[in-house]
Amino acid sequence: GAGVSQSPSNKVTEKGKDVELRCDPISGHTALYWYRQSLGQGLEFLIYFQGNSAPDKSGLPSDRFSAERTGGSVSTLTIQRTQQEDSAVYLCASSFGQTNQPQHFGDGTRLSIL
Amino acid sequence: AQSVTQPDIHITVSEGASLELRCNYSYGATPYLFWYVQSPGQGLQLLLKYFSGDTLVQGIKGFEAEFKRSQSSFNLRKPSVHWSDAAEYFCAVGAHGGSQGNLIFGKGTKLSVKP
Repeated sequence: GAGVSQSPSNKVTEKGKDVELRCDPISGHTALYWYRQSLGQGLEFLIYFQGNSAPDKSGLPSDRFSAERTGGSVSTLTIQRTQQEDSAVYLCASSFGQTNQPQHFGDGTRLSIL
Repeated sequence: AQSVTQPDIHITVSEGASLELRCNYSYGATPYLFWYVQSPGQGLQLLLKYFSGDTLVQGIKGFEAEFKRSQSSFNLRKPSVHWSDAAEYFCAVGAHGGSQGNLIFGKGTKLSVKP
């Protein structure tokens, strides 16, 4: 497709389970970003990829969170042993590069932890 | 540290009225500035951006924003609001250089439009 694609669009899981969220960026975009959007917290930066490497992981909230990107394209965000405070919308964005290039966002994955 | 403040959490305007959404940023150098709009259940759509040059920038959907360095502001304006403009609006600042590529977002302003 033409835009950033995220799957699943909604995910409900039990506390303690692991979840994997997927992001398929716009073709040709070398930079990929993950953000978390939750009530009262706004949009929080999680991690940034340039190609397959992640020069900035500063936003990952704990070691339960990890992300990878393969082939300079698809990225997965994994949350292990989910907690209720992980409930949020996880947004992925991509761009041609860093800093001054506009980021294009997917519609997000709404994660609910029971 | 960089930060973005959107002082208004919620604004209601009448259809056809003018609109101004406020944004103030904190950054040591000239920032890259963006406004995004988010409709319910959707991702963020870029309205406009400022990198350098003319301080009044035009965007999509009839929006414009003005960069004022002396006030550290980048307010979003629209002369006549349409009901379809009801959404949440986010101001963001991007870093220059280094390895940091992420945007710093304000907490958003929710716009409601009265008929």
